[in-house]
Amino acid sequence: ETGVTQSPTHLIKTRGQQVTLRCSSQSGHNTVSWYQQALGQGPQFIFQYYREEENGRGNFPPRFSGLQFPNYSSELNVNALELDDSALYLCASSFAGPPGELFFGEGSRLTVL
Amino acid sequence: AQSVSQHNHHVILSEAASLELGCNYSYGGTVNLFWYVQYPGQHLQLLLKYFSGDPLVKGIKGFEAEFIKSKFSFNLRKPSVQWSDTAEYFCAVPPSNTGKLIFGQGTTLQVKP
Repeated sequence: ETGVTQSPTHLIKTRGQQVTLRCSSQSGHNTVSWYQQALGQGPQFIFQYYREEENGRGNFPPRFSGLQFPNYSSELNVNALELDDSALYLCASSFAGPPGELFFGEGSRLTVL
Repeated sequence: AQSVSQHNHHVILSEAASLELGCNYSYGGTVNLFWYVQYPGQHLQLLLKYFSGDPLVKGIKGFEAEFIKSKFSFNLRKPSVQWSDTAEYFCAVPPSNTGKLIFGQGTTLQVKP
C-alpha cells in the first residue's frame, strides 16, 4: 500500500473522445509523475508536475496534458483519443529533487475502441 | 538518448533455482539505478536502488544487484527463488539526475512450485 490512489481503475472510451484520469499523491509528497504502460512494455514517462507546474515532459503529443492542484493531487487529460492510447496509466508521487523512490498507484486501465 | 535494455523478456524457473536478470544502460554521467517489481495485481514497487558507494546493493526479499560501471550493467540476482517471486521486474535509470525514470521493457519471471 503506497498511499497513491488513482481513479477510475478501468474505463472504456471510443476514438476521438477525451478522458480525465485522477491521482491522489502520498501524504507529504509534492511531486507527481505520470507514466503510460502499454501491454508488454515498461512504463514510459509522460510528464511530471511540481508546485502545480509541468516540470519535465516525455515524448508525448500536446493532446496529453495535466494539472497539479494545491493539495498535490493531479489529473491527466488526453484529448482526441487514438487506439494506441490504450494502456495502463500510472501515477507516481515523490519528493522533489534528485531521483529517489517513486511511489506508484495501481493505475488506470484505459481501453480505446 | 539514454536507454535501458533488459535481455530476458520471459524467464521460467523452478523454486530454489538461482536467478539473474540482465540490465544494461546507456548513460555516461552520474548513475543512479533502480529495480522495480510488479507482483500480479499489485502496484509497481521499489526492489532496490544504487546511488553510490558499494556496487553490490541488497534489496527486499533477498534480492541483490551489482553495479558494474565498465560493463554499464546492473544485473539483479537472487540465490534461491520462491513461487512468490513470480512477477514482472523492471530496471530503471533517471537521466541527468532528473526526477523521471526510463524503464526497461521488463522481464516476466514465472516460478514453478
